[in-house]
Parts: sequence; structure tokens; C-alpha cells
Amino acid sequence: GQQLNQSPQSMFIQEGEDVSMNCTSSSIFNTWLWYKQDPGEGPVLLIALYKAGELTSNGRLTAQFGITRKDSFLNISASIPSDVGIYFCAGRRRGNSGGGADGLTFGKGTHLIIQP
Amino acid sequence: KAGVTQTPRYLIKTRGQQVTLSCSPISGHRSVSWYQQTPGQGLQFLFEYFSETQRNKGNFPGRFSGRQFSNSRSEMNVSTLELGDSALYLCASSETPQSSYEQYFGPGTRLTVT
Repeated sequence: GQQLNQSPQSMFIQEGEDVSMNCTSSSIFNTWLWYKQDPGEGPVLLIALYKAGELTSNGRLTAQFGITRKDSFLNISASIPSDVGIYFCAGRRRGNSGGGADGLTFGKGTHLIIQP
Repeated sequence: KAGVTQTPRYLIKTRGQQVTLSCSPISGHRSVSWYQQTPGQGLQFLFEYFSETQRNKGNFPGRFSGRQFSNSRSEMNVSTLELGDSALYLCASSETPQSSYEQYFGPGTRLTVT
């Protein structure tokens, strides 16, 4: 099925550094979402993006919906230990059947590891 | 508001058995989606339910099925379990399908097939 190419796969950074990760696709998505997953838990929604070119912030997190609708990036500024986890991008297309949207398509995740 | 709850949290089954997993959405949410998460394939969409009707389905065999009840609670069933069905099964809820880009996930059910 469809895949989102998420990079990098993992990041080893120092506390206080900024982090940047991105997702690309060969298909257009109408919505981009960024989630964080901690061990043993389900993904938690961080930021939702609905319009091409949109730039949205949530505290130290900033995400952008690419103008081509085929990519998105997430930045985390001044990382702290609790930022450790796996970050997933997810895209959603408009479905063809009666207005409903398809399920989310996820990237493989970026594993963020922070060294104190 | 309470979050999405899933039961059981952990399950061990043997090949050939069947299993039923349960999901209670956030109060007021009427759309429920199910996902399978494995290390190799990542998170993959199984199906979505709204008003007791399946609206969308991912690319999974017919052994995977689900249903939704009038109170929006949902169950998914996997029949004739295979080793490859071992995974974390996640349920996500949203207010309606039109708002289902904002999906909120439960903690998942960890299924191990031996």
C-alpha cells in the first residue's frame, strides 16, 4: 500500500539541541498529522495541518504542510529529556466514496534519543 | 474526558484460534478506526466504523473483521490466527468521519500468537 518516507530513522542529539524531521510522499494528502509514541502507549497527536503551506506551532514544536501537499516537516526546538520517543508523520487523503476520508497512512517513524 | 480505552491490554493466543479485541471511544466520538502496528510494517490502517457501518477498509485479509455498536463501542475480530498477526492493535476515535483527521489513539492491545 501507500507509504510515507520519513527521515531520519533515528536521531541521537544533545539536550538543548533543535531537531528536524520530515516526511515525503509520491501522493498528495489533504491532511498531515504528527504523532509521538512512548513505549507501551498509543500515538499521541501533536500537531494537525489542514492546508498546503500552513505552518503551525504547539509550544516548542513547529510543523509545516508542504506546498505540493506531498511533504511535511516537524521541528522541535531546545529538546528536553521528555522529548525522547518515536515520532510519526501521518497523511490522510480524501476518499472516493461519498465524502469520507481514507484511513491514516503512517511513516515508519523517527526514533529520537537525547543524551543529557 | 476519559481517553480511548482498549481491552485487554495483553493477549496470548495460539495459531488457529480466534480473538476479539474491544475499544471504547472518547465520550461523544462516533467514529472508530483500527490499526495494526508491527516493527516491520509500522502502523497500517485496518478499518473505520461510523454509525455501526464500516466506511473504509485497509488491505487486510477477510480474517480481520470488525463491528460497531449503537453506543459507538467497537470490536475487532481476527479468525484463524497466524504467527504474523502478532502485533500491537490500536484503536483511534474521532468525533465524526469528517473530523477523523484528528484521531485520538488508545494504548493498544498487544497480541502475541504462538
